[in-house]
Amino acid sequence: LAKTTQPISMDSYEGQEVNITCSHNNIATNDYITWYQQFPSQGPRFIIQGYKTKVTNEVASLFIPADRKSSTLSLPRVSLSDTAVYYCLVGDESGYSTLTFGKGTMLLVSP
Amino acid sequence: SQTIHQWPATLVQPVGSPLSLECTVEGTSNPNLYWYRQAAGRGLQLLFYSVGIGQISSEVPQNLSASRPQDRQFILSSKKLLLSDSGFYLCASTWEGRTNTEAFFGQGTRLTVV
Repeated sequence: LAKTTQPISMDSYEGQEVNITCSHNNIATNDYITWYQQFPSQGPRFIIQGYKTKVTNEVASLFIPADRKSSTLSLPRVSLSDTAVYYCLVGDESGYSTLTFGKGTMLLVSP
Repeated sequence: SQTIHQWPATLVQPVGSPLSLECTVEGTSNPNLYWYRQAAGRGLQLLFYSVGIGQISSEVPQNLSASRPQDRQFILSSKKLLLSDSGFYLCASTWEGRTNTEAFFGQGTRLTVV
């Protein structure tokens, strides 16, 4: 799997938009970019996945530039309940993946 | 719908005792299965993964072992627990029709070795 780099932590306030960027300079042609969210004492939860350009679902948006060497998870109008650790993973969706998680980004949303 | 059963939710075991954690998956066939450990305040450490019955790959050498006796059953074991084995153990599975980087996790087992 391509190595990823994320900020260790981020702070925000309720109602703001939060953008978490992940760097993956060695991403391979067949690799997808996947983001997970983890609350304390729970397993990670899949949020969003993309290959290029922009992907949006009911939870977040994922922006991927043309060179795919980075990606940005965008959380619109965060609330206190969005306080969690966010992980960026890069891997080939075919065959199997070892799903290695990095340290993630701890997002703290304050009132 | 897909479901991952992981038990027990919490476990307190003395040093030197054996361990067996079980994970079963419903709603899919031939999943990739994973065991992770997360120490307090730390990231997810991949311990084992399996792409099929009897096929186990170990990521970190230690006193733990894993087995996959059935397609949707994944077991984590130890013959003698160490204090350092304490942590939050998570089972994860991929699903038919989803990509292999889109895993679903169980609720986890909080293991305390005393």
